[in-house]
Amino acid sequence: DTAVSQTPKYLVTQMGNDKSIKCEQNLGHDTMYWYKQDSKKFLKIMFSYNNKELIINETVPNRFSPKSPDKAHLNLHINSLELGDSAVYFCASSHDRGRGTGELFFGEGSRLTVL
Amino acid sequence: GDSVTQMEGPVTLSEEAFLTINCTYTATGYPSLFWYVQYPGEGLQLLLKATKADDKGSNKGFEATYRKETTSFHLEKGSVQVSDSAVYFCALSDGGYNKLIFGAGTRLAVHP
Repeated sequence: DTAVSQTPKYLVTQMGNDKSIKCEQNLGHDTMYWYKQDSKKFLKIMFSYNNKELIINETVPNRFSPKSPDKAHLNLHINSLELGDSAVYFCASSHDRGRGTGELFFGEGSRLTVL
Repeated sequence: GDSVTQMEGPVTLSEEAFLTINCTYTATGYPSLFWYVQYPGEGLQLLLKATKADDKGSNKGFEATYRKETTSFHLEKGSVQVSDSAVYFCALSDGGYNKLIFGAGTRLAVHP
C-alpha cells in the first residue's frame, strides 16, 4: 500500500486551464503539505494543513487553492494555469504539528507541464 | 530568513569512493537539521537527522554531524554504491509546524 499517493502523476495542459491534483495518505497523520519543485530541483513549501486547518500559507498566487476535506486528503486546485506553474508538485504528511520533528513522508510527485 | 546552502552538483564518483556533500545553514534560532534523499522517479525520503549541536545522525552508512560553530551539516559516506545514486537535500526546521527549508539539492552519480 502506498503511504502517500498523488494523482495524476503526469499532467499536460494548456495555459489558462484549471486543474486539480489529489493527495491521500493512509498513515494516520494529522498534517499534510504541498511542496513545489522547480526545474532546478528547488523545493519550496506552499501550504500545510493540520486536521483540515490551514497552518502554513506561503506567498503563493491565489490561483492556487488547497482543500482538505478530511485529515487524510489534501487536494490542490490551480486556476488559470501559467507557464511558470510547470513543476513537480509533492504532497507530504507528518505525524506531529508543533514539535517539528521534520520527518515528512512524501508522495511520488505530480509533474505538471503547462504549454 | 533561514536558509540552506549545498554544494552544487553533480557529484560523480566511482563505486567504493568516499563521499562528502557540504551543507551550511543560516538560522536565527536552534534548528533541527536533516538530509533527505530522492531516488529517480520517487518522492523524498528522510535519510538522517540531528536535533542539537554535536549530534550525529546516521543511516545506511551515511553520517552527518551538527556543527553549530561552523553552521554545517556535511553528509559523508565511506564507500558509496551505485544504488546511492540520487539527489540529496539538506534541510532545516525551526521547530514550528515542520516548515522545512530545503537546500537546492546535490545530484550524486556513482559509476561501477
